[in-house]
Amino acid sequence: KAGVTQTPRYLIKTRGQQVTLSCSPISGHRSVSWYQQTPGQGLQFLFEYFSETQRNKGNFPGRFSGRQFSNSRSEMNVSTLELGDSALYLCASSDLTGRDEQYFGPGTRLTVT
Amino acid sequence: AQTVTQSQPEMSVQEAETVTLSCTYDTSESDYYLFWYKQPPSRQMILVIRQEAYKQQNATENRFSVNFQKAAKSFSLKISDSQLGDAAMYFCAYNYNNAGNMLTFGGGTRLMVKP
Repeated sequence: KAGVTQTPRYLIKTRGQQVTLSCSPISGHRSVSWYQQTPGQGLQFLFEYFSETQRNKGNFPGRFSGRQFSNSRSEMNVSTLELGDSALYLCASSDLTGRDEQYFGPGTRLTVT
Repeated sequence: AQTVTQSQPEMSVQEAETVTLSCTYDTSESDYYLFWYKQPPSRQMILVIRQEAYKQQNATENRFSVNFQKAAKSFSLKISDSQLGDAAMYFCAYNYNNAGNMLTFGGGTRLMVKP
């Protein structure tokens, strides 16, 4: 099976712009989770989608949103970008829940200038 | 809120030696899962080992094993016969049952392996 893919891999945006990141899970996986990784805050959970419904949400402002399509592909959107949004955004897919391994993608490196 | 703490920001080990990475967590749940993930310089995170809280037996995966102390809320990772390819960031993570897939990560430990 192909692994989790994320596009684009690198992105440079200007403060105030918006951005959309994409994640394609492993075939058959219905859960997609998003994480933000920064040197200062470490790895933080953003949200999880399961069968097109947001199942969990982390403690991030409303500028961060996401969605999942019927084929399980997921997108996350960040509006009104701030310098502090510069980070590696990781998505992970899983077949079931909780106890199961999450398979991570390579990440999208977002730089906000 | 659940928290995961890794008290060792950096560790080093000689090739072929054994090293133990520490992790403690705080939770009021009784049914949960603990994970160790490895993030090499290429940045693709991969699962090293998993432990179900209801299992008393410590998980092992080849050269990797854990020491799970539920009462102490401790979950350390032992790497035996360390190899150069083990050099990476190691993250301890927690997820409780019925939470979906919502990992809480520790701050990570950078492991260096000396030849």
